[in-house]
Amino acid sequence: SQQGEEDPQALSIQEGENATMNCSYKTSINNLQWYRQNSGRGLVHLILIRSNEREKHSGRLRVTLDTSKKSSSLLITASRAADTASYFCATDLPSGSARQLTFGSGTQLTVLP
Amino acid sequence: DAGVTQSPTHLIKTRGQQVTLRCSPKSGHDTVSWYQQALGQGPQFIFQYYEEEERQRGNFPDRFSGHQFPNYSSELNVNALLLGDSALYLCASCHGTYEQYFGPGTRLTVT
Repeated sequence: SQQGEEDPQALSIQEGENATMNCSYKTSINNLQWYRQNSGRGLVHLILIRSNEREKHSGRLRVTLDTSKKSSSLLITASRAADTASYFCATDLPSGSARQLTFGSGTQLTVLP
Repeated sequence: DAGVTQSPTHLIKTRGQQVTLRCSPKSGHDTVSWYQQALGQGPQFIFQYYEEEERQRGNFPDRFSGHQFPNYSSELNVNALLLGDSALYLCASCHGTYEQYFGPGTRLTVT
């Protein structure tokens, strides 16, 4: 079963606009990561935020984490056509030593030129 | 520095057959995980190998088995293939960090 659920399932915006995707999860986590996937290919790691962090930036990406609400958001600013992809959040549970990631079902982002 | 590599890229098998997928981790990584991604879904954890042992397993039947070699590369074997096994199979590697690097995947089609 999926630990995280992304919202919305699909998002279509114009180039230059900002895109916001949300992720909710069910259990306590160690950290939360966001990945991008282009058209059924491999996943590209975007950013990791630890459970004791509230906000993190990387280039045009901004991630927030609210552990009390069990939710995270990914903001992509000044979007480009090349940002068109599926975006997944993945959680890493606090128990155990294995780096098992539990993924949501993803948000399909389309950036129109 | 080569990232995670997987072979083959695509594979077509018939129901009931067996398949072996291969993964070479990123240089310096000693832990390999396998994920199954059905069309339109997020990846689901199959199992993870570390020091040639299966360290953790997801909710997959025993038809799914794996192996890790001394050079840290790994194989995923699936026996008695079902139509529902059609998916993208992703390999990820890491070394003592939370960030996992994913390979391009193997697209398995079962007919």
